[in-house]
Amino acid sequence: KAGVTQTPRYLIKTRGQQVTLSCSPISGHRSVSWYQQTPGQGLQFLFEYFSETQRNKGNFPGRFSGRQFSNSRSEMNVSTLELGDSALYLCASSQGPDQPQHFGDGTRLSIL
Amino acid sequence: GQQLNQSPQSMFIQEGEDVSMNCTSSSIFNTWLWYKQDPGEGPVLLIALYKAGELTSNGRLTAQFGITRKDSFLNISASIPSDVGIYFCAGLPSGTYKYIFGTGTRLKVLA
Repeated sequence: KAGVTQTPRYLIKTRGQQVTLSCSPISGHRSVSWYQQTPGQGLQFLFEYFSETQRNKGNFPGRFSGRQFSNSRSEMNVSTLELGDSALYLCASSQGPDQPQHFGDGTRLSIL
Repeated sequence: GQQLNQSPQSMFIQEGEDVSMNCTSSSIFNTWLWYKQDPGEGPVLLIALYKAGELTSNGRLTAQFGITRKDSFLNISASIPSDVGIYFCAGLPSGTYKYIFGTGTRLKVLA
C-alpha cells in the first residue's frame, strides 16, 4: 500500500515568491493535515481538510492557504515568502479526522 | 492553548539499555500516538492507544495510555543503534479533531 507522497522533496525560493506544495494521501484516506516543522518550534499545525472542506486551521498568517480536491489530494500554497518560512512541511493523511495520521517525508523549503 | 509536555528532551544511552519517555498534559485525551522520525524523513507511526490503561507493544517498544487520560509513556527495551532518532507523542484532546504534538525526545545510542 503506497504511503503519503509529497512533491517536491526540496525547493529553493527567494523572498517575495510564492510556492505550491502537493500531497497525495494514502488510498482511501479522506483527511489531510499539514504541519510546519522547524528545529526551534517543533511540529506546528497549519490546517486540516476533510472531504474538500477545511475543518481546522492553525495560527498562521493568511499567506498560508490550502485546498483539497475530490480525489483527496491536497495542495498548500504560501505567498510572499519570508526567510522565516524556511522549514520542513509535512503532510499527514488519515481515514478520518480522529484517526491516526500517517506522514509523508515532507517538502524541505529553503528561502534565500 | 492545549500543550503537551514531552520529556526528556534528549538522552544518550548505551546500547542494550532500556529507555523511557513520557508525555503529559493538563487536558484529557481520547487517543495517544507515538512516532519516530529519522533524519530527512517524515515521522513514522509506531503505536496508537485508544483507551485509558491500554498497554500496547510493537516489538521492543511498549506504550501505555495513562489511567488519568492526561499522559502516555513509551518504553524501548534493549536499545540498538538504529533506535537513534526523534520520538514524538501526539494526543487527540477530548472533544476535538486536531492532534497536538509533543516537542520530541531526541535519542542517541552509544554502541
